Amino acid sequence: QVTLKESGPGILQPSQTLSLTCSFSGFSLSTYGMCVGWIRQSSGKGLEWLANIWWNDDKYYNPSLKNRLTISKDTSNNQAFLKITNMDTADTATYYCARRSTEGILFDYWGQGVMVTVSS
Amino acid sequence: EIVLTQSPTTMAASPGEKVTLNCLASSSVSYMNWYQQKSGASPKLWIYGTSNLASGVPNRFSGSGSGTSYSLTISSMEAEDVATYYCLQLSSYPLTFGSGTKLEIK
Repeated sequence: QVTLKESGPGILQPSQTLSLTCSFSGFSLSTYGMCVGWIRQSSGKGLEWLANIWWNDDKYYNPSLKNRLTISKDTSNNQAFLKITNMDTADTATYYCARRSTEGILFDYWGQGVMVTVSS
Repeated sequence: EIVLTQSPTTMAASPGEKVTLNCLASSSVSYMNWYQQKSGASPKLWIYGTSNLASGVPNRFSGSGSGTSYSLTISSMEAEDVATYYCLQLSSYPLTFGSGTKLEIK
């Protein structure tokens, strides 16, 4: 059974760095073809893809967030991470992690999401 | 960046009515995924590879399209189909989602 669960600080102040963890089970990020991605959704708005990390440690980022994103993984502990620097109120959103199956189906399983609020 | 434009933004359909949701890409894409999101819940994979139904998706749903034009069709609207539907292009980075179509029932 595939499950993913995001965790994060809940609230942080502008200019701080957001650190998110995606803890998953039912698959391994060391398996050929596997990938985990991060997507966010501002309140009442649409979905925005942020980054992907692949089994071979290839990484892809949304250029709209320029150099603020860093994605990483810990395959031993079945976790993926996302850091976003210089957080702003505009980054207030629900952050999701989702996986790509080895059969090539992108974002077939999603976590429940974690709400992050940026406020002074 | 490939921009996906979904139409309509919002629509209401009667039970039993045929529904078509559209997703127009600014450049040609190889295939499209669709996700269903109900209020307060995470998105769910609904259709992948343009026309393949995800596990558990009722067969009243179908997907089609090619190039820059894709669609999701419900052959007969049911109350449980009320949700927002998003398309996602996977052909090139950055991955992009459409802005969604909110489907309501009359």
